[in-house]
Amino acid sequence: AQKVTQAQTEISVVEKEDVTLDCVYETRDTTYYLFWYKQPPSGELVFLIRRNSFDEQNEISGRYSWNFQKSTSSFNFTITASQVVDSAVYFCALIPGGSYIPTFGRGTSLIVHP
Amino acid sequence: EAQVTQNPRYLITVTGKKLTVTCSQNMNHEYMSWYRQDPGLGLRQIYYSMNVEVTDKGDVPEGYKVSRKEKRNFPLILESPSPNQTSLYFCASSLLGIPNTGELFFGEGSRLTVL
Repeated sequence: AQKVTQAQTEISVVEKEDVTLDCVYETRDTTYYLFWYKQPPSGELVFLIRRNSFDEQNEISGRYSWNFQKSTSSFNFTITASQVVDSAVYFCALIPGGSYIPTFGRGTSLIVHP
Repeated sequence: EAQVTQNPRYLITVTGKKLTVTCSQNMNHEYMSWYRQDPGLGLRQIYYSMNVEVTDKGDVPEGYKVSRKEKRNFPLILESPSPNQTSLYFCASSLLGIPNTGELFFGEGSRLTVL
């Protein structure tokens, strides 16, 4: 069985601070896919990134960056120079290769104060 | 506009009264799925469908039914709702038959309260 742990239930920062959201996963599969989704206060879920288990290259997209480390089974998400619009719940998810059932973490609520 | 549409968005019902939450996507996606979101538990998959007439259980299927008669539609049926099915429900679709190679597109959510 898979498991995704987002130990940080809630993080509160002030605008322009950098913040890292942690995601630790467990799986016995050698092929798997990791995702991050954002859920703003309006409630919809927005895809941010997908990473497969064979690609450990870190990714940067504007103020967002992701650090995938298989050695520590982590897929952490960093927001640089946070903004109020970044306030949301962020979910990390894992799908084993060949599976159709994703496992989501419990989410981290990020509050960015002006 | 590419989207996943759920209806109703909000519903209050009573125990035992059958209800259906509809889900429709206009992206010709093969894969569709339903999730429930509960505080402190994240999202959990209820059912998924790989294509027309092909459905399978997710992690929490008890008390729910689904059908996939058309590619675009994937309704969630609660035959006899109970208070523990009070939750926020999301429908999602993905382009490829193997969803783990692509992103999930989510609907806006349906908040269901069972009294």
